[in-house]
Amino acid sequence: NAGVMQNPRHLVRRRGQEARLRCSPMKGHSHVYWYRQLPEEGLKFMVYLQKENIIDESGMPKERFSAEFPKEGPSILRIQQVVRGDSAAYFCASSPDRVNYGYTFGSGTRLTVV
Amino acid sequence: QQQVKQSPQSLIVQKGGISIINCAYENTAFDYFPWYQQFPGKGPALLIAIRPDVSEKKEGRFTISFNKSAKQFSLHIMDSQPGDSATYFCAARTHDYKLSFGAGTTVTVRA
Repeated sequence: NAGVMQNPRHLVRRRGQEARLRCSPMKGHSHVYWYRQLPEEGLKFMVYLQKENIIDESGMPKERFSAEFPKEGPSILRIQQVVRGDSAAYFCASSPDRVNYGYTFGSGTRLTVV
Repeated sequence: QQQVKQSPQSLIVQKGGISIINCAYENTAFDYFPWYQQFPGKGPALLIAIRPDVSEKKEGRFTISFNKSAKQFSLHIMDSQPGDSATYFCAARTHDYKLSFGAGTTVTVRA
């Protein structure tokens, strides 16, 4: 039973390019959460999605960031026109239902903007 | 602002010693307090968790102590081993799903 799968593991983008981060939840999990970890900091909540629905995007920057979790396929976190400050580790987690007692996190995507 | 304050930022302990990490919070709506362990290049993994109606929870060498009136909780790692060297995050949950994390504590266990 594979865990939460994120790819790519490492992503390098030039300023102004787009970054697409993918997350496949654990089998049977329909709730996906994205968190961002800046260097030397804890994780910060970004967005919570269920299949085809964004439930809570209160932690997402209002511009350049978007997320989706389509009926088929992985969840995608998209960052347009990346800037140096977007360099961070982005973690995805999943759970089988909304009220969860501890997510399962993936290994993350480390985004570097040069 | 940081909703969960964690200290110390780092600590070094000898093999067999006790590691203690402290966290404090203000939001009384938090209803679940997990601790995560993270190794370099990996995602955080749930280690142990506690609910506010319990004052202590122990799992193997890991113990959470919870003081609801003081709004503080701590992780104790007994008989620390080199394999425990990692970054530890406390967290607190609201709205059933949203976690607020502390800034993390890097623990180094010297053999």
